[in-house]
Amino acid sequence: GAVVSQHPSRVICKSGTSVKIECRSLDFQATTMFWYRQFPKQSLMLMATSNEGSKATYEQGVEKDKFLINHASLTLSTLTVTSAHPEDSSFYICSAGGGGHGKTQYFGPGTRLLVL
Amino acid sequence: AQKITQTQPGMFVQEKEAVTLDCTYDTSDPSYGLFWYKQPSSGEMIFLIYQGSYDQQNATEGRYSLNFQKARKSANLVISASQLGDSAMYFCAMREGHNYGQNFVFGPGTRLSVLP
Repeated sequence: GAVVSQHPSRVICKSGTSVKIECRSLDFQATTMFWYRQFPKQSLMLMATSNEGSKATYEQGVEKDKFLINHASLTLSTLTVTSAHPEDSSFYICSAGGGGHGKTQYFGPGTRLLVL
Repeated sequence: AQKITQTQPGMFVQEKEAVTLDCTYDTSDPSYGLFWYKQPSSGEMIFLIYQGSYDQQNATEGRYSLNFQKARKSANLVISASQLGDSAMYFCAMREGHNYGQNFVFGPGTRLSVLP
C-alpha cells in the first residue's frame, strides 16, 4: 500500500513555542491531506482538510490561526501549532488520499506532542 | 448526530476464537464507503478492510470479514481465529461519496483484548 510519513514522531516543547509537523506521501501524489487529533482513549477528530495549492478547510472549533496548515506540494503538507499550550498536547495524525490509489486513505504514523 | 456508532467500548476474546465488533452508521448519501482500522498501542492506523455501498458481496481480507447489512446500516467486523497480536483499538469509519478526497468520520472505537 501507499506510504505516508510524518516527522517528527515525538516532540516535547515548552509552552509558548511553535511546533511544525510534516506529513509526506512517499510514493504517490496527494491532492488532499487530512489532519486529525486524537486525545487519549478517544477517537480521531478531523481538524482540517488540506488541499494542494489552496487554503485549508478547518472544522468547526479549530482555530485556523493557531493550527497553520500549508500544502505547498502534492507530496507535503505541514501543520504548525503556534504558541503551543499544555492543552494542545495530543496525538496528531495525517492522512492522504488521491493519486489513483483506491478507496482508502493512508495514514501517517502520527506525532505525539507534549507541551510542558 | 452520531454518524458512526460502536456500542462496545471493550471486548474480550479467547485466542483462536472468532469475535465480532459492531458498527452502525447513518447517512442519506446512497454512495459511501465503510472502513475498519486497527490502532495498536504504537498509534499507527492500520487499514483492515473496505466495503463500498454498492458492493454486492461482503468484503473479506484474510482473517477479517465485514458483515454488511445495508438495510440495517450495519458493518460489523468479524475477526476469525483471534491472535494475541490482534489486541488493539478498532475503529469503524465512513466516507460519504466515492471521492477519496473526502474526509472520514470515525466511530468511538472498540478496545479488543485477546486472552491467551
